[in-house]
Amino acid sequence: AQSVTQLGSHVSVSEGALVLLRCNYSSSVPPYLFWYVQYPNQGLQLLLKYTSAATLVKGINGFEAEFKKSETSFHLTKPSAHMSDAAEYFCAVRNRDDKIIFGKGTRLHILP
Amino acid sequence: GAGVSQSPSNKVTEKGKDVELRCDPISGHTALYWYRQSLGQGLEFLIYFQGNSAPDKSGLPSDRFSAERTGGSVSTLTIQRTQQEDSAVYLCASSTQGARQPQHFGDGTRLSIL
Repeated sequence: AQSVTQLGSHVSVSEGALVLLRCNYSSSVPPYLFWYVQYPNQGLQLLLKYTSAATLVKGINGFEAEFKKSETSFHLTKPSAHMSDAAEYFCAVRNRDDKIIFGKGTRLHILP
Repeated sequence: GAGVSQSPSNKVTEKGKDVELRCDPISGHTALYWYRQSLGQGLEFLIYFQGNSAPDKSGLPSDRFSAERTGGSVSTLTIQRTQQEDSAVYLCASSTQGARQPQHFGDGTRLSIL
């Protein structure tokens, strides 16, 4: 069975600092991986996805994520945090035939 | 519109009443999902429709919950005899067929049970 673990329910970084949100997955077959962002009172928006092409995936708003099979990880990064990045971030995994499974989310706080 | 539309955006009702939540997916999307998001929690899968196949109902928490999808498009999630623990945001998402396709989410219905 597949699963997703997001380390840290809350992460705080200073404006301009590196953002690193951690995601580890469990899957018996090569998965498809997604990062979504949720702003207050809104649904989830796709940030980026990994679908077995390049292991370094670039998304919207300057975010990127690297698929590391040996570590079963798909961590989300952004070189320089902006106040507008404050939101909740969800990592998700999906095998070819299964429904998508979401992590419990990480709330990102940006300190001025 | 171009996105997934959910209605109502907010619903307040008394314990014991039935509620219906509506989802209009993106035109042409064959897959439709319902999730529940409680305060401070992740997304809890409820039900999944894919084309004309039988829906995956494995996430429905009790027999008070049901959903249908008419004509492969609009979906309605019904909660009967609502309880206070049903208070949550109910999110709908749709996608084209294929596991590599991302889901597109509506803004959700915030349900409050008094």
